[in-house]
This record gives sequence, structure tokens and C-alpha cells, in this order.
Amino acid sequence: QAQLMQSGGEVKKPGDSVRVSCKASGYSFVNSGMSWVRQAPGEGLEWMAWINVYNGNTNYAQRLQGRVTVTSDTSTNTAYMELMSLRSDDTAVYYCVRETPDYFDPWGQGTLVIVSS
Amino acid sequence: DVQMTQSPSSLSASVGDTVTITCRASRNIHTYLTWLQQKPGKAPTLLIYGASTLKTGVPSRFSGSGSGTDFTLTIRSLQPEDVATYFCHQVYGTPSSFGGGTKVDIK
Repeated sequence: QAQLMQSGGEVKKPGDSVRVSCKASGYSFVNSGMSWVRQAPGEGLEWMAWINVYNGNTNYAQRLQGRVTVTSDTSTNTAYMELMSLRSDDTAVYYCVRETPDYFDPWGQGTLVIVSS
Repeated sequence: DVQMTQSPSSLSASVGDTVTITCRASRNIHTYLTWLQQKPGKAPTLLIYGASTLKTGVPSRFSGSGSGTDFTLTIRSLQPEDVATYFCHQVYGTPSSFGGGTKVDIK
């Protein structure tokens, strides 16, 4: 079955960058989209970005535009999300999730990124 | 952008009760509405898509209804394993957006 396995947690300082990876298995990676969603501690879900793995087209949340970049590597079935100029309010669990026209599924297990001086 | 308003933000019910969660979209999203379940410390999982289609393997006590702007998630005969936060999620407009969540626990 479709699965997404994310990289481990990170602790970063303000101003740093972080890159989270997401390895897909059990479905056609190249023929799907991938979204990234984050969840601050005790908060709701915030959509961040999307990539069409087939052609590399991307779409970003306006409030993160310029700080977030999503990419994919079809040779390893891996998607990446890089967030730059980290701030304390970027502390969150970051999820990758396969996006179809009708739903987001499955979700990765999540990667906790802590931003602290 | 489509705003999703979910209510209540939390509820407490007894085992066996029927629980209803509502979600309202700021504009017509047809049936491009999904419901997610997030158990404590875990990633969200898909329960329902297309407003009313149960994902394979989801217990039939879960059901969804609605179209346009108003949607409902119903859990019949609440079970202890249903303790979780439930989110509605619109996949019609870009950017995708989520309701604020409803935390369900057992009395």
C-alpha cells in the first residue's frame, strides 16, 4: 500500500534553513502530486506547498512565498521541502502527503522541527 | 481563499452516543470535502472523501453528508478508539484549507 516515510526531527537556530525528505513507496510517485502541511504545537493544519512530480510545477502558500521550496527526485521516489530563514513560529510538525484531485492520502509520519536559540 | 469553519471545537460524549460535527465553507466547494482523523501524537488519516465516501477500511459508524457550503461528519455509537481530533478539509480551491478541528473525547 502507499506509504510515505519522512526524515527525522531537527533542531535549528533562528535564521537557519531546514530540509525535510519524504520517501514514497507503494504507488506511482511520478504520476502523483505531493503537498506539505505543517502543524504548530497544539494548533491546526496549515497547507504550505504542492509539487506536481511529473512536470515539477509548484504552488506555495502566499504567507510562505520566498521562504519555502519543494522539489522531487523521481530516481529515488523522494520529495523534499526546504524552509529558509527559520523563525521560532516555524516550530511545528511538518507532514508530506500525497495529493490527488479528491483527497490527501496517505500522510507521512511527520517531522518535528524545533527552532530555538 | 476558501475559509473553513468547523464546530464545535471540542465535545465530550459517552460510549455509544451519536456525535455530529459540522463544517461550513466560505463559498461553494461542491463535494470536494474530506474528513481527517488525528489521534494524539499521530499523523492525520483520511476517513471520508467526496463529502460522503468512506475510505476503504473505515468503520461504517462514520458517515459524512453535505454539499455546497455545509457539511456534517456523524459518528454513530461512539467507541473509545474514536478519541481524536477531526478536521474537515476542502480540496476544491487552491490553496487547500482545513477547519480548525474538533477534539472528541469520552465522558
